[in-house]
Amino acid sequence: SQTIHQWPATLVQPVGSPLSLECTVEGTSNPNLYWYRQAAGRGLQLLFYSVGIGQISSEVPQNLSASRPQDRQFILSSKKLLLSDSGFYLCAWSPGGRYGYTFGSGTRLTVV
Amino acid sequence: KQEVTQIPAALSVPEGENLVLNCSFTDSAIYNLQWFRQDPGKGLTSLLLIQSSQREQTSGRLNASLDKSSGRSTLYIAASQPGDSATYLCATYNTNAGKSTFGDGTTLTVKP
Repeated sequence: SQTIHQWPATLVQPVGSPLSLECTVEGTSNPNLYWYRQAAGRGLQLLFYSVGIGQISSEVPQNLSASRPQDRQFILSSKKLLLSDSGFYLCAWSPGGRYGYTFGSGTRLTVV
Repeated sequence: KQEVTQIPAALSVPEGENLVLNCSFTDSAIYNLQWFRQDPGKGLTSLLLIQSSQREQTSGRLNASLDKSSGRSTLYIAASQPGDSATYLCATYNTNAGKSTFGDGTTLTVKP
C-alpha cells in the first residue's frame, strides 16, 4: 500500500533562517506531488505541484521554492523565512487527479 | 477559475442528529469531487471520492452525493456522534486545471 511521510511535525524557526521540509511517498511511482499551506482558520492554498522529477509548477509568488530531486521526494525550501511564512504546511500525492488526493500529517511552522 | 464554497462555515448539532454538509462549485467540468475530514492540527483524511459519472458514494454512516449540473455536492452524516466533530472540506478536480480546488470547510461540533 502507498504511504506518505512528512516531517518534521512541528518547527519553530527565527526570521531570516532557512527552511527545508521534506515529503516522501512509498509504494508508488511517478506520483503527482503537491505542497499546500493552511493559515489558521483558513482554507488550503496550493503552493507548488509536480508531475515528474524536476518539474515544478508554482502557484503563488512568494518566499518559498520547491524541488523534486527524486521521483517520490518533494522538498519545500526557503533561504530566508519571513513572519508571514508561519502556517500549517501539507504535502499531498495523487496517482493522477482523477484518483483523488492523499495527504501527509502536516508540519506546523512558526516563524519567530 | 473554479470556486468552491462551503456553507455554513460552522455547524453545531446534538448527538444522534442526522445532518447535511453542503459544497457548491462554479465550474461543472470536474473530473471528481472528494470529501475530507480534518481534525485540529492534523492532516486531511479522505472520506469519499465521487467520480463525475457517479451520483453518490457511501461509506458507513456517510453518504456523499454529486449533482454536476447544479454544481452541488452534499455530505450526509447519519446518527452523528461526538467523534464526528471535525472540519469537513470538499475539493473538485478540474481536468483543465490539472489540480484540485478546495473549499474552506465546515467545522462540525457534535454535542454529547
